[in-house]
Amino acid sequence: LAKTTQPISMDSYEGQEVNITCSHNNIATNDYITWYQQFPSQGPRFIIQGYKTKVTNEVASLFIPADRKSSTLSLPRVSLSDTAVYYCLDTNAGKSTFGDGTTLTVKP
Amino acid sequence: ETGVTQSPTHLIKTRGQQVTLRCSSQSGHNTVSWYQQALGQGPQFIFQYYREEENGRGNFPPRFSGLQFPNYSSELNVNALELDDSALYLCACSLAGVLTDTQYFGPGTRLTVL
Repeated sequence: LAKTTQPISMDSYEGQEVNITCSHNNIATNDYITWYQQFPSQGPRFIIQGYKTKVTNEVASLFIPADRKSSTLSLPRVSLSDTAVYYCLDTNAGKSTFGDGTTLTVKP
Repeated sequence: ETGVTQSPTHLIKTRGQQVTLRCSSQSGHNTVSWYQQALGQGPQFIFQYYREEENGRGNFPPRFSGLQFPNYSSELNVNALELDDSALYLCACSLAGVLTDTQYFGPGTRLTVL
C-alpha cells in the first residue's frame, strides 16, 4: 500500500470550515480512501471513508475527484476539541499505510 | 469507544529483554493488525493476523512476532528489545474480506526501553 502526502500542519479558528487535502499518487484500483483522527496518546479514530465523488457523515465530508489522485477532508465549523492529527490513507481489507499526518490546531 | 482493549497501558523494559503486548476486541472482528508509532510519526504497519495466521507483514525484523487466538484476541511479542523499540504500539481490529471495512484501534501500549 502506498504512502500518501499531506500538509504537515494547519491552523484554523473556532467556527471556521477546514479543508485538508491529501495526495494519493499511487492509489490502487481496489483501494479506498480513509481518514482518521488521532489525539495524543490515543489510537487513531475513524472519521470517514470513500471511493469516489462525495461522502458525508455527521462529522465530515470527503471529496474525491474522478482520477482519485487526491482527496479533501472537510470539517465544518471546527471547535477547539478538533485539534488533533489527521491522517489520510489508502486502505484495502484492513491494511493501511499511514503517512505523518496533518496537525490541525484550532485557535479560539 | 471502539471496544478494542490493550494491555498493559504502559511498560518499561531494558535492552535485550522480551515483551508481550495484548489486544482484544468485544465486537468479534476477526482480523487484527499491529502498528508501531514512534513519537511524532504516523503508525507503521507491523503485521496482520487472520484465522490465527500472519496475513501480511511490514518492514519489521523477525524478532517481532505475533499470535492470534480462536477468540480473535492477539499478542505482539518482541524479542531482544532495542532502544529504538520505544514507541506506542497499537492494535487495530477489522473484518476480513470486506474492502471497505474500517479498522478500530485500541488505546495503545506505551513501551519504553531503557
